[in-house]
Amino acid sequence: QKEVEQDPGPLSVPEGAIVSLNCTYSNSAFQYFMWYRQYSRKGPELLMYTYSSGNKEDGRFTAQVDKSSKYISLFIRDSQPSDSATYLCAMSAGGGYQKVTFGTGTKLQVIP
Amino acid sequence: DTAVSQTPKYLVTQMGNDKSIKCEQNLGHDTMYWYKQDSKKFLKIMFSYNNKELIINETVPNRFSPKSPDKAHLNLHINSLELGDSAVYFCASSFGTEKLFFGSGTQLSVL
Repeated sequence: QKEVEQDPGPLSVPEGAIVSLNCTYSNSAFQYFMWYRQYSRKGPELLMYTYSSGNKEDGRFTAQVDKSSKYISLFIRDSQPSDSATYLCAMSAGGGYQKVTFGTGTKLQVIP
Repeated sequence: DTAVSQTPKYLVTQMGNDKSIKCEQNLGHDTMYWYKQDSKKFLKIMFSYNNKELIINETVPNRFSPKSPDKAHLNLHINSLELGDSAVYFCASSFGTEKLFFGSGTQLSVL
């Protein structure tokens, strides 16, 4: 079993839809949770960063972490064609020299 | 100015050759990384250097040797390239946190 599981998609939604992306994990030591967005032929860029459980909102993006269920989510409101990319969840136990473990990514396509 | 730059962007080579990928960051970060992304987009850490000191070395074949001449540079040398080494290699940097800044990647194709 992989430490971090993520549905690879692809996920196609119409413009304006609410998108929900999810990851599950098995390592209870993870405390830092991130979402990266990767456009085709580009490097991943950090989108959201949260510590421990709870919600964090940034514009149209909301990240949720439920440590009791070992489940994290990213919601995108009013999705735009420019949101079309691969979204990678990532996690770390922290505590010094950070080793970040990534999910396999979900490919999202927002159709105009 | 590009924050994390790596060269070359594309690398096509024959099996058995030796090649290097260079990475430089101008963010003032103290930690640099090499990640490998396979054809299924799975991103896996290979190495991490903090202030020129190797701190993470995942189970990577000895044919891969990172070198950090200073904390702004991290190079990756690969000996005796194999077909299975074909992937996209990303350099990244951070400053004491999990917030990684990635380069645009080097697409390595071994024929």
